[in-house]
Amino acid sequence: AQSVTQPDIHITVSEGASLELRCNYSYGATPYLFWYVQSPGQGLQLLLKYFSGDTLVQGIKGFEAEFKRSQSSFNLRKPSVHWSDAAEYFCAVGARRRKNDMRFGAGTRLTVKP
Amino acid sequence: KAGVTQTPRYLIKTRGQQVTLSCSPISGHRSVSWYQQTPGQGLQFLFEYFSETQRNKGNFPGRFSGRQFSNSRSEMNVSTLELGDSALYLCASSYDRVAGETQYFGPGTRLLVL
Repeated sequence: AQSVTQPDIHITVSEGASLELRCNYSYGATPYLFWYVQSPGQGLQLLLKYFSGDTLVQGIKGFEAEFKRSQSSFNLRKPSVHWSDAAEYFCAVGARRRKNDMRFGAGTRLTVKP
Repeated sequence: KAGVTQTPRYLIKTRGQQVTLSCSPISGHRSVSWYQQTPGQGLQFLFEYFSETQRNKGNFPGRFSGRQFSNSRSEMNVSTLELGDSALYLCASSYDRVAGETQYFGPGTRLLVL
């Protein structure tokens, strides 16, 4: 089965600084990849997803992610962080052969310093 | 279009009791998945229902069960509650036209077992 690793449990960045959240996946074929964000007390909101094609994916709220097959990675980036970006971020991998069979990483909590 | 709704939002039960959680998917969505979220284990896939049938199942004991109705609404039941069942239970829905489709999450039901 597919699996996801998010190496960073907690990251702190200053407002206006750039951000990169790491995600590594394990899957025998090309996976579907997702980044979700969860604000306190809320459900998950999709930021972006990769299915195929262009390996640089643009999402909502100014986020982007790059799929690198050679590194089994799908890192999330944002050039300038806003205080409202403070939340927990989850990377997820879906199996192409099994609908709606998604596996999530442990999450990375983002703190934004003023 | 209304989002995924979950009821109740908060629940307190005692060990040994059973509980039923409800999820109403986005109109037109036919697939409903359930996830358990805890600080220690993160987001774990419980099961997925499509057309009133359980199609995918995670690695949870038989105390966790679910069902889906003809209108795609889904319920999740946990029998003989244990302290470790305290968690945020998230429901997600999708159209289920193709594998890897975006899942839309509800706000969750927070269950506390005393």
